[in-house]
Amino acid sequence: SQKIEQNSEALNIQEGKTATLTCNYTNYSPAYLQWYRQDPGRGPVFLLLIRENEKEKRKERLKVTFDTTLKQSLFHITASQPADSATYLCALSGYNKLIFGAGTRLAVHP
Amino acid sequence: NAGVMQNPRHLVRRRGQEARLRCSPMKGHSHVYWYRQLPEEGLKFMVYLQKENIIDESGMPKERFSAEFPKEGPSILRIQQVVRGDSAAYFCASSPTDSNYGYTFGSGTRLTVV
Repeated sequence: SQKIEQNSEALNIQEGKTATLTCNYTNYSPAYLQWYRQDPGRGPVFLLLIRENEKEKRKERLKVTFDTTLKQSLFHITASQPADSATYLCALSGYNKLIFGAGTRLAVHP
Repeated sequence: NAGVMQNPRHLVRRRGQEARLRCSPMKGHSHVYWYRQLPEEGLKFMVYLQKENIIDESGMPKERFSAEFPKEGPSILRIQQVVRGDSAAYFCASSPTDSNYGYTFGSGTRLTVV
């Protein structure tokens, strides 16, 4: 069956460093992949979409890569700030819907 | 542009009662999705609707759960005879076409069954 794995352990980094979050998937060939940010008690907020024929996408301090051979996406936040602390979800395109990973909690410390 | 509106934000129901969760999609969005989220877990797909049509309900339990998106008014997720295990956050999302674009999520309804 399809499986999406994100680091279940929280990622703690120092302000100013680059945060790298991983999303791995198996038994699946999505046409595109998305990343969302979720703050406690709130709904997810869309950040970036990357298609299967794209290797990399950037938006301000965010960068996403998509390796369909490794079945992996990496999500980078450069020059991280405490305000970037949140849970980040990856989502893969399924038939008629998005399938979400469980998310990785990021904590950026001053 | 008010975004996706969900109400109520919090809902408490006793076991056996009915819960009705409402979702008004963003203006111009014709696709509505419902997801359920348990603490420390990811979003689980429940149902995908367009106006007056259920497109995919593969994630919705066969018993007690139903959803609709009428021609006029909000989408409704209805849970009959609620049980403790139904306690969760229920999120609604909308998109302008199919899921080739990012979803816009509401703030969710937190259902507590006592």
